[in-house]
Amino acid sequence: GIQVEQSPPDLILQEGANSTLRCNFSDSVNNLQWFHQNPWGQLINLFYIPSGTKQNGRLSATTVATERYSLLYISSSQTTDSGVYFCAVDANAGGTSYGKLTFGQGTILTVHP
Amino acid sequence: NAGVTQTPKFQVLKTGQSMTLQCAQDMNHEYMSWYRQDPGMGLRLIHYSVGAGITDQGEVPNGYNVSRSTTEDFPLRLLSAAPSQTSVYFCASSYFMTRGMNTEAFFGQGTRLTVV
Repeated sequence: GIQVEQSPPDLILQEGANSTLRCNFSDSVNNLQWFHQNPWGQLINLFYIPSGTKQNGRLSATTVATERYSLLYISSSQTTDSGVYFCAVDANAGGTSYGKLTFGQGTILTVHP
Repeated sequence: NAGVTQTPKFQVLKTGQSMTLQCAQDMNHEYMSWYRQDPGMGLRLIHYSVGAGITDQGEVPNGYNVSRSTTEDFPLRLLSAAPSQTSVYFCASSYFMTRGMNTEAFFGQGTRLTVV
C-alpha cells in the first residue's frame, strides 16, 4: 500500500516563529488532507488539497502531486498551534479509493510563549 | 447540521465484554469509515463502507465487526474486547464526487476506549 512519511517528527518553536512541515507519499493520490489534532484529541480539518496551493489565515499548504509531496506552512506561530499535525492521503490505486485515508505518523509541534 | 457524531466519548470495558461504538452523520455522505489511533501513531483504518449494505475491511479489521443498514449510521462492534483494543476510535465520512475524487473527510470527536 501507499506509504506516507512526515517530517520532522518533532518541532519546538518560540511564539512568532515560522515553520514548514513536509509530507511525502509513495504513489499517486486522489486526495490529500492536513489535520491538526489538538491537545483534547480532536481532529480539525486544515486543508483539503490534492494539488495546488491554499491559504487560510496564518496557515497555507502546497501539494505538488507530480512530485508526491505536500508542505504545510505555519507563520507567526501561536501557543494554540501546539498539537500534532497529520497528513492523510486517499490513494489512487485503480482510480477509486472509496474515501479510505492513509495517515502519516504526524509532526508534534510545541510552541512556547 | 451536527456533522459526524460518535458515542460514547469514553468507555472502560473488561476483557471479554462486548460493546458497540456508535457513529452517525447527517451530511448524506456515501463513504464512512472507522479508524483507531494508538499512542504516538497516526490513524489506521479498521473498516469502511461505500454505502448502505456495503462494507469492507481496512488495515486492522481483526476483532471488529461493522454493518451499515442506513446511510446515516455506521456502528463498530467489539464482540469480545481485548486489552490490545485499548485505543482512541474515530469515525469519518466523505462524499463521492466523480472519477474517484472524494470530498474531504470529516471526523467525529473520537471514543477513548480502555480494556482492562
